[in-house]
This record gives sequence, structure tokens and C-alpha cells, in this order.
Amino acid sequence: ETGVTQTPRHLVMGMTNKKSLKCEQHLGHNAMYWYKQSAKKPLELMFVYNFKEQTENNSVPSRFSPECPNSSHLFLHLHTLQPEDSALYLCASSQDQGQDYNEQFFGPGTRLTVL
Amino acid sequence: AQRVTQPEKLLSVFKGAPVELKCNYSYSGSPELFWYVQYSRQRLQLLLRHISRESIKGFTADLNKGETSFHLKKPFAQEEDSAMYYCALRRYGQNFVFGPGTRLSVLP
Repeated sequence: ETGVTQTPRHLVMGMTNKKSLKCEQHLGHNAMYWYKQSAKKPLELMFVYNFKEQTENNSVPSRFSPECPNSSHLFLHLHTLQPEDSALYLCASSQDQGQDYNEQFFGPGTRLTVL
Repeated sequence: AQRVTQPEKLLSVFKGAPVELKCNYSYSGSPELFWYVQYSRQRLQLLLRHISRESIKGFTADLNKGETSFHLKKPFAQEEDSAMYYCALRRYGQNFVFGPGTRLSVLP
């Protein structure tokens, strides 16, 4: 598959569960991003990785733990989440975080529901 | 801090009518401005960027630094334009800041 893919597309989990979201990009990009999209808030940047190094943690609670083993893969590990963490989690990639006029390519998102 | 506002949560127009989606930003330097669009059941995708000064799907947007605005316009709306539109700002070499979005509904 081309572009940015995310799995699973839907996830329902209890507050005591541990789960992981996966993102893969097939564009040869070097920067990857996690965003949270809630019904009542603008798109919120969570984490940024540039050349596998984390360059941004936007004051995200520690119950969200990112991992970037290589430039093509990005994970978001989830544990002891709260119901207010229910949202659409979007992954995006771009050529390079610092490049001018750097278009971001988005995945379809994972719809997360925390019970 | 950078901030992007889109005053209208929902904008409804009739097919063939002109449409303008408003975007204002707060940033003291020279920003990069973008419009992203999300059609129903599709992923968020770039519509246009101010540096390109191009028209995409009949949409144009002009950066007005004096008014700190980047409004998106189309002279004749089509039903297939119905979607969620996000204005986004980026400082050179920095991350995106997205506005809250405006849902455009084009009525037949």
C-alpha cells in the first residue's frame, strides 16, 4: 500500500488495558508525527520524530508512549488510558521536519474508544 | 505563541454560490500558510499552500499579512466541495498549528 497507513482503524479498550497503535509510511520520508483529533478541539500535535529522534513532546501524559524504530514506522503505546483520551489519532509524515514548505501526508487515523 | 482561528464551525451555501472560509492567524514573523481538506471518509490532505499561489479545484487563498488572514475562496461552490476545511500555520522549520476547522456544506 502507498502513502501512510495506520492500524488498527478502530480500537476499543478498557482503562486497564495496554495496546499499541501502528503507523507506517511508504513515502521515503524522514519525519513522522502523532496528532490527536477530538470532537471539541483543534488537531493537537502530540509527538514528532525526525530521522528517528524525538524532537517534540507536546506535554503529552506519560500514559502515551511513542516509539520510532526506523524512519518508516511509528508506534504509540497506550496504557491506563482515561475515557477523555477517546479520539481519532492521526499519524502523518513529511520529508523532513525542518524543510521549508514541508507538506504533511496523513494516515486515515485510528478511532480509539476508552471505556 | 502561534494561533490559528477559524470563526465559523459550519458554513452552508447553495450550489453555485460563492464561498469564503475565513482563517486568521497570530504570528509575528513570516509564516507558511496552508489549507487542508478532509472529505467524508477520506484522510486529511493538502488543498493548497500560500507560496504556490495556485488554484486547486477552483479554490484560491491570498495571504494578507496586514490583516493576518488567509481566507479560502471559491466563486461557484459545488456539492463535492462539502468537507471539513482546516487552516494551518507553520513557522519556517517548525511544526504545524491547525485551526479548529470549518465544515462546509454545499446544498443542492
